Amino acid sequence: EAQVTQNPRYLITVTGKKLTVTCSQNMNHEYMSWYRQDPGLGLRQIYYSMNVEVTDKGDVPEGYKVSRKEKRNFPLILESPSPNQTSLYFCASSFGQGADYGYTFGSGTRLTVV
Amino acid sequence: DQQVKQNSPSLSVQEGRISILNCDYTNSMFDYFLWYKKYPAEGPTFLISISSIKDKNEDGRFTVFLNKSAKHLSLHIVPSQPGDSAVYFCAASDYGGATNKLIFGTGTLLAVQP
Repeated sequence: EAQVTQNPRYLITVTGKKLTVTCSQNMNHEYMSWYRQDPGLGLRQIYYSMNVEVTDKGDVPEGYKVSRKEKRNFPLILESPSPNQTSLYFCASSFGQGADYGYTFGSGTRLTVV
Repeated sequence: DQQVKQNSPSLSVQEGRISILNCDYTNSMFDYFLWYKKYPAEGPTFLISISSIKDKNEDGRFTVFLNKSAKHLSLHIVPSQPGDSAVYFCAASDYGGATNKLIFGTGTLLAVQP
């Protein structure tokens, strides 16, 4: 089944403790992206990757890092999480960045930073 | 600055009636628009799209209308069904342009009452 898999689904952590949210897709998509969803703000892009070893900032990149060492994986790294990073996170992938390519989203990771 | 706006956070409709979800945008460079549907505990899924060269696109019970002069689009669901209850996100892109990425609205929660 074609899908984007995120782990974990739920995570509660403490301020300053480094964490990684994994994202993997099995569709051979070149384009991958991370979004966060917050009440009243919709989905905002954090980082994206056009292909292996090619990443760039989205609209809200502060406090996050990403890497793209393999085509299928695009982990999101929070080096020193803070409470304002409490949010619902989605990974998405597509054949291309252009909007006419359908974005496939993962099921989400709900992160709470206390 | 919110470039894509969904001014109604929620909408309640009776089963069998029409649901109309609205979306406004500010960037005149946007030329491709999409609607995504999101159930709780799941990622957004693509519903329907429209290019700026059209003013209407239909897919079964779902129709999207685009009014470029007003920078407004709407999603009509007829007839509405309880299974349509979800959060609907409008998204826009300047395909092939400077950013060539999807920018999402804040979402509208649709509740279809049996």
